[in-house]
Amino acid sequence: EADIYQTPRYLVIGTGKKITLECSQTMGHDKMYWYQQDPGMELHLIHYSYGVNSTEKGDLSSESTVSRIRTEHFPLTLESARPSHTSQYLCASSVLGTSGVGTGELFFGEGSRLTVL
Amino acid sequence: GEDVEQSLFLSVREGDSSVINCTYTDSSSTYLYWYKQEPGAGLQLLTYIFSNMDMKQDQRLTVLLNKKDKHLSLRIADTQTGDSAIYFCAERSGGYQKVTFGTGTKLQVIP
Repeated sequence: EADIYQTPRYLVIGTGKKITLECSQTMGHDKMYWYQQDPGMELHLIHYSYGVNSTEKGDLSSESTVSRIRTEHFPLTLESARPSHTSQYLCASSVLGTSGVGTGELFFGEGSRLTVL
Repeated sequence: GEDVEQSLFLSVREGDSSVINCTYTDSSSTYLYWYKQEPGAGLQLLTYIFSNMDMKQDQRLTVLLNKKDKHLSLRIADTQTGDSAIYFCAERSGGYQKVTFGTGTKLQVIP
């Protein structure tokens, strides 16, 4: 069983508010990811991290920011939420090695569904 | 860049077989995956296949890989209502850390 947790599961907030979506994993994985999932199902990588103090932007431009101060924790922050940020946000981790060893399975959290009014 | 395509929707009757198809563009893919997403949940790995394999069977699941045509399929035998979900294919390629997901196929199983 994967041990990766996201909070909150559901969040409804007003425009202009600052929000942080939490993601924690207890598997000791170095690699962590944030995906944004459209209502039409498609997944877009918005941020990833290869380890502590490492963060990179993904394929889809996002106004959110991330930090990785501890291995187990990878929070995502929106400084000023807008209705266009309404989406499902999925956090994932993996043991993908730099040498390519391992299957590269991604372990996903249950997701955080954000609605900005 | 990498591109992974799937049909959006599939409807089957309970007890029939389901076949979900996927095409990808990156010929350097090493692993290809099938993930399942149930309503309101994250994705969960169903099965994977290494690029030097043609087929992999795991209970009711059969994965077929045609590397020449860059085509991947997932067959679910004796489909049950609990199989209703969104199925994503994904490929791992390039610098190993990159996994590209398909657009997802919503499988509806009719009782």
